[in-house]
Amino acid sequence: GAVVSQHPSRVICKSGTSVKIECRSLDFQATTMFWYRQFPKQSLMLMATSNEGSKATYEQGVEKDKFLINHASLTLSTLTVTSAHPEDSSFYICSARDLSATGERDNEQFFGPGTRLTVL
Amino acid sequence: DAKTTQPPSMDCAEGRAANLPCNHSTISGNEYVYWYRQIHSQGPQYIIHGLKNNETNEMASLIITEDRKSSTLILPHATLRDTAVYYCIVRVYTGGFKTIFGAGTRLFVKA
Repeated sequence: GAVVSQHPSRVICKSGTSVKIECRSLDFQATTMFWYRQFPKQSLMLMATSNEGSKATYEQGVEKDKFLINHASLTLSTLTVTSAHPEDSSFYICSARDLSATGERDNEQFFGPGTRLTVL
Repeated sequence: DAKTTQPPSMDCAEGRAANLPCNHSTISGNEYVYWYRQIHSQGPQYIIHGLKNNETNEMASLIITEDRKSSTLILPHATLRDTAVYYCIVRVYTGGFKTIFGAGTRLFVKA
């Protein structure tokens, strides 16, 4: 199946710094990627939809200036947590849709392994 | 958006079948039912999906009722490694095939 990677897998940073998380589709191209965050013992919460070559679409309540998304190529989307604070500590997960998928497979999403962010 | 309802947790004995129910009474005719699972501290893993007919793959079987208002994921011989949170999702299309996760069912497989 299609593989999505994330880098880094874990990051610890000081409060006030910015952290960039990469999401890559390794063996397929993705015009659309999604970013989720997950707090302990909770479900995944969709943050934004990342579209290659255009601005991301953010879910209600998600600050676009806080969580900067760049989808500059068909295989890479980045999420930058700006001026991170301890409350931003979470598990961040991306997913991607295969550009070439058709029919039922057009609905499939492939998830990355997640990035655990800890802000001190 | 079609929403799903799942029990918060279930137990299953190792080697026995695990049957995980899901209600999706507001599902529309062209929406698929997807199942994912998430093992602790990992990204979600695709299990199976279906529209109307029952489906089976190497991981599981999916039974969808005739009225499509509910479905059951069956793990035929559960192992300890199947302990995870299982999410039943109805795929919505609102300008980008967003996947909205509910609370899921936490399955504990016990020896």
